[in-house]
Amino acid sequence: NAGVMQNPRHLVRRRGQEARLRCSPMKGHSHVYWYRQLPEEGLKFMVYLQKENIIDESGMPKERFSAEFPKEGPSILRIQQVVRGDSAAYFCASSQGANEKLFFGSGTQLSVL
Amino acid sequence: GESVGLHLPTLSVQEGDNSIINCAYSNSASDYFIWYKQESGKGPQFIIDIRSNMDKRQGQRVTVLLNKTVKHLSLQIAATQPGDSAVYFCAENIALKGQNFVFGPGTRLSVLP
Repeated sequence: NAGVMQNPRHLVRRRGQEARLRCSPMKGHSHVYWYRQLPEEGLKFMVYLQKENIIDESGMPKERFSAEFPKEGPSILRIQQVVRGDSAAYFCASSQGANEKLFFGSGTQLSVL
Repeated sequence: GESVGLHLPTLSVQEGDNSIINCAYSNSASDYFIWYKQESGKGPQFIIDIRSNMDKRQGQRVTVLLNKTVKHLSLQIAATQPGDSAVYFCAENIALKGQNFVFGPGTRLSVLP
């Protein structure tokens, strides 16, 4: 009965490196959402995916950021050539269906040196 | 009382008192709303939800009120406890935008002994 699992919990990267954040949704959930949060701020929507499909990526920068949710395995948020401004907490959430409550993981704290 | 901090508005209440946290939502087409609680270093935790065909819903010690006329949502916490100290977010589901949830800026609740 595990909840949403995110890993790693903390990720440190140098400028120019790639960051890969993983999210395994709750069992039975086929909808995944990624949010970004800066300290003392709210959650900013990035991307919404269903299995093998991107439904809405309007919150995700067009360059360097990509997301996938393959048929098998976790959802991946990938950030190429990271910059200091990418430092933030990235939260993944899953839901059983569209317009259903979201359950969140514990987040990945990305620090770019 | 309520004050606006650098980023997050803060509500301070005495232990045992009732708390009311307010949220103005943005889209009159939104039809589903959720309140989340986020403790430091953790992911948001579901508290209570309400759909637009209702104007009030009660849970254990919490009540959500929805006023669609003025696009306002509130969370009432009865007999506030120290463990209620956290940041509270409202989220609206904008059905016209592919069912992704948009979060409000958040309110920090501080419970005084």
